[in-house]
Amino acid sequence: DIVMTQSPDSLALSLGERATINCKSSQSVLYSSNNKNYLAWYQQKPGQPPKLLIYWASTRESGVPDRFSGSGSATDFTLTISGLQAEDVAVYYCQQSYTSPFTFGPGTTVDIK
Amino acid sequence: EVQLVESGGGLVQPGGSLRLSCAASGFTSNTYWMSWVRQAPGKGLEWVANINQDGNEKSYVDSVKGRFTISRDSAKNLMYLQMNSLRDDDTAVYYCARDGPGTRGYFDLWGRGTLVIVSS
Repeated sequence: DIVMTQSPDSLALSLGERATINCKSSQSVLYSSNNKNYLAWYQQKPGQPPKLLIYWASTRESGVPDRFSGSGSATDFTLTISGLQAEDVAVYYCQQSYTSPFTFGPGTTVDIK
Repeated sequence: EVQLVESGGGLVQPGGSLRLSCAASGFTSNTYWMSWVRQAPGKGLEWVANINQDGNEKSYVDSVKGRFTISRDSAKNLMYLQMNSLRDDDTAVYYCARDGPGTRGYFDLWGRGTLVIVSS
C-alpha cells in the first residue's frame, strides 16, 4: 500500500497569512503515460463531509477559491492557502488515487492564531 | 440538486451485520465509479471499497475483504455496503462518495455520512 504522510500536524496562522501543507507519498503517484500526478486534496470542517479542493495535484475543483493551490510531482506535494480566511479553519487531507487501496494522509489541522 | 444520501447505520453487536445504502440524485450515478469511505470517531479518512459503473469490478481495503460486499442497483441509483462479521474497529461514519468523472480514486461528491457503532 502507498503510505501518505503530511506535515505539519497542525498550524495556526493569522488572517491573511500563507498556509503551506506538505504531503509525501511512499512511492511515486505520477503516471508516466499521461504525465498526471494522482494526488488529491480535501478540506473537512467539523461535522461535515470532506470537500474536494484539488485533483491531479494542481487542478482546482470547480467553485474552489483561487487562494487554494496545489503543486508538486511524483512523491512530494504541497497545498498552499494564499491569504488565510476564517472560513478556511479545517482539517486538510491529501490522498493518492494512483492505485487501490486509495490512501489518505493523516490530516493537517489549520487554525487561526 | 446533485447529492448522495446514506442510510442504514446504527448500533450493532460485534459479529453482527448491517447493510448501508447510498441514494444518488441529480445525476446519472451509473456513469461513475462509486466508493465508500469511512472515518472512525476523531480519526482520519479510510477508503473502504469501490465499484465500477457496471458493478462487475470491485475493490476493497484489506481490513474488510471477505466481510464487506459493495454492490449497486443502477436502475434505482442506489449503492450498498453489506457489512458482516462486524468488529469494534469498524465503528465509524461511513460516507458514500462519487469518483471523479471519467476516472476513479478521487472523490468529487460526498454524502453526509451514516454512523455505524459496533459495541456490545
